[in-house]
Amino acid sequence: DAGVIQSPRHEVTEMGQEVTLRCKPISGHDYLFWYRQTMMRGLELLIYFNNNVPIDDSGMPEDRFSAKMPNASFSTLKIQPSEPRDSAVYFCASMGETQYFGPGTRLLVL
Amino acid sequence: GENVEQHPSTLSVQEGDSAVIKCTYSDSASNYFPWYKQELGKRPQLIIDIRSNVGEKKDQRIAVTLNKTAKHFSLHITETQPEDSAVYFCAASMGGGADGLTFGKGTHLIIQP
Repeated sequence: DAGVIQSPRHEVTEMGQEVTLRCKPISGHDYLFWYRQTMMRGLELLIYFNNNVPIDDSGMPEDRFSAKMPNASFSTLKIQPSEPRDSAVYFCASMGETQYFGPGTRLLVL
Repeated sequence: GENVEQHPSTLSVQEGDSAVIKCTYSDSASNYFPWYKQELGKRPQLIIDIRSNVGEKKDQRIAVTLNKTAKHFSLHITETQPEDSAVYFCAASMGGGADGLTFGKGTHLIIQP
């Protein structure tokens, strides 16, 4: 099992650009979570899905953030337009009995 | 919503000694309490977890205790080794983890040789 897969691993972009982060959960896991990690705010839950359906997006910071899960093996987190304060590490996690984290995408918005 | 407080923020211990990290949670409905270890530049990795129907759980040198009345739980690492150096996060969930995790701010554990 390859574990949770995220791409890209690193992203550098300029303010105002659209950013799309991708995640492939562990096969058979029904839950998928997006977290953001910063020094100031720590690890925060942004949104989670159950069987591809968004259940709670109350952690999404602004309307600039959106997430989709078109099928059981793929999810995206999109930021449009991006701002410097969006710079963070974004983790995707999937859950069977416990949550397993992907390697993260390190985003830098200049 | 749930709030998780974690102490200390930094903990330095001599190799071979024990380390204890403490967390408190605010919502008595929380029923799942995992601990994650994160090395620099890496993903958080689950090291142990406990559910609210259990008071203590052990896995080799690592143990977690839960006091539901006081709403606090602790991580105990015995016979610490250099490879235990990392940031440790506690977390809580009201849905067994299926509703997402609320994390503490982390403890930077430093093992002195």
